[in-house]
Amino acid sequence: GENVEQHPSTLSVQEGDSAVIKCTYSDSASNYFPWYKQELGKGPQLIIDIRSNVGEKKDQRIAVTLNKTAKHFSLHITETQPEDSAVYFCAASYPGDQFYFGTGTSLTVIP
Amino acid sequence: EAQVTQNPRYLITVTGKKLTVTCSQNMNHEYMSWYRQDPGLGLRQIYYSMNVEVTDKGDVPEGYKVSRKEKRNFPLILESPSPNQTSLYFCASRPSGGLSGELFFGEGSRLTVL
Repeated sequence: GENVEQHPSTLSVQEGDSAVIKCTYSDSASNYFPWYKQELGKGPQLIIDIRSNVGEKKDQRIAVTLNKTAKHFSLHITETQPEDSAVYFCAASYPGDQFYFGTGTSLTVIP
Repeated sequence: EAQVTQNPRYLITVTGKKLTVTCSQNMNHEYMSWYRQDPGLGLRQIYYSMNVEVTDKGDVPEGYKVSRKEKRNFPLILESPSPNQTSLYFCASRPSGGLSGELFFGEGSRLTVL
C-alpha cells in the first residue's frame, strides 16, 4: 500500500511569518493529494487539495505544490495568524478511494 | 445542515464488553469510512464502504467489524474491545465519483478501554 511521510511533526512560527509542511508518498499511482486542518476537539476539515495533473494550487494565504517526479507535495501558509494554529494532515489517494494520511504537523502561531 | 454524526462522543468501557459506535451522514454519500487517530501515527483507516452492502478492510481492521445496511449509516462494532483499541475514532463520508475528493469527517469518538 501507499506510505505517506510528513515533516515536521511540530512547527512554531511568529505571527505573520510563513509556514511550510512537507509530505512524500511512495505509490506513483496516487493521483489526489488533500490537506486537512484539525482544530482541537474537532474532526479534520479539508483546506486545499491538488490533483496529479496540476503542479500548484493557491487559495488566498494557502498554497499547495506537487512534484510528481520526486513524489512530494507541500503546504505553504503565508502571513500566518493565530487562528492557523492546529494540526495539519496531508494525504494521498489513488483510484479505489483508499486514503493514506501522514502523521500530522502541530502548527503553533505565536502572536 | 450537512454533517456526519457520531455517537457516543466519549466512552469508557472494560475489556471484552461489546460496543458499537454509530455513524450517520445526511449528504447521501456513497462512500463512508472509519479511521482511528493515535499520537504519532496520524489517521489510519479501519474499514471503508463504497456503497450499501459493500465493505472493505483498511490498514488496521483487526478487532473491528462494520456493516452497511443503509446508505446513511455505517456503524463500527468492537466485539471484544481490548486496551490497544483505546483511541480517537473518526467516521468520514464522501460522494463517489466526480472531481471532488473531499472527505467529510464527524467530530470524533474518544474511546477508552480499561
